Amino acid sequence: GENVEQHPSTLSVQEGDSAVIKCTYSDSASNYFPWYKQELGKGPQLIIDIRSNVGEKKDQRIAVTLNKTAKHFSLHITETQPEDSAVYFCAASRDTSGTYKYIFGTGTRLKVLA
Amino acid sequence: KAGVTQTPRYLIKTRGQQVTLSCSPISGHRSVSWYQQTPGQGLQFLFEYFSETQRNKGNFPGRFSGRQFSNSRSEMNVSTLELGDSALYLCASSLTGNEKLFFGSGTQLSVL
Repeated sequence: GENVEQHPSTLSVQEGDSAVIKCTYSDSASNYFPWYKQELGKGPQLIIDIRSNVGEKKDQRIAVTLNKTAKHFSLHITETQPEDSAVYFCAASRDTSGTYKYIFGTGTRLKVLA
Repeated sequence: KAGVTQTPRYLIKTRGQQVTLSCSPISGHRSVSWYQQTPGQGLQFLFEYFSETQRNKGNFPGRFSGRQFSNSRSEMNVSTLELGDSALYLCASSLTGNEKLFFGSGTQLSVL
């Protein structure tokens, strides 16, 4: 069935270093790839997304890259700060009968050490 | 603009009972989706409603059901609760279902 694999499951970095989280999807029809950040006690919050017609998108310290051929996409966080500590989820989705069907990865717990 | 509101925030039930969770989407959003989140399993899709109709459904047993009202508010019901139903249940809204999802803070359900 459709699947999204996310690695690593936990990631610790020193403040100021970069963090990279990688996802692989199985459904070649997927065309929308959002990333969510979930802080303790809160719901996931969309931080960046990319569509299949774009290879890279950047928003300040956050960037996402997409390799459609390999069915890989990655989240890059530069100059990490303690407030970046959270669980990050990737998702792959495609249009199904007029609505997006989302498949989420299992999450990456990022710890930024001060 | 108010975000997605889920009530209650916490619930404790015993096996065999049933439970109803509520979700109020962002004003103007007509699509409401429900997800189950458990440690290590990520977010599992339950179902999606649009204009009071279930449009998509995940791979959950029939004990899990939902509905949507004319004001787009949605409820999710779980009957005959099992220990394995303990999870964070998240509701997400979007304008029509093919845009960005906005999540609520969830309802933490514990089944004893």
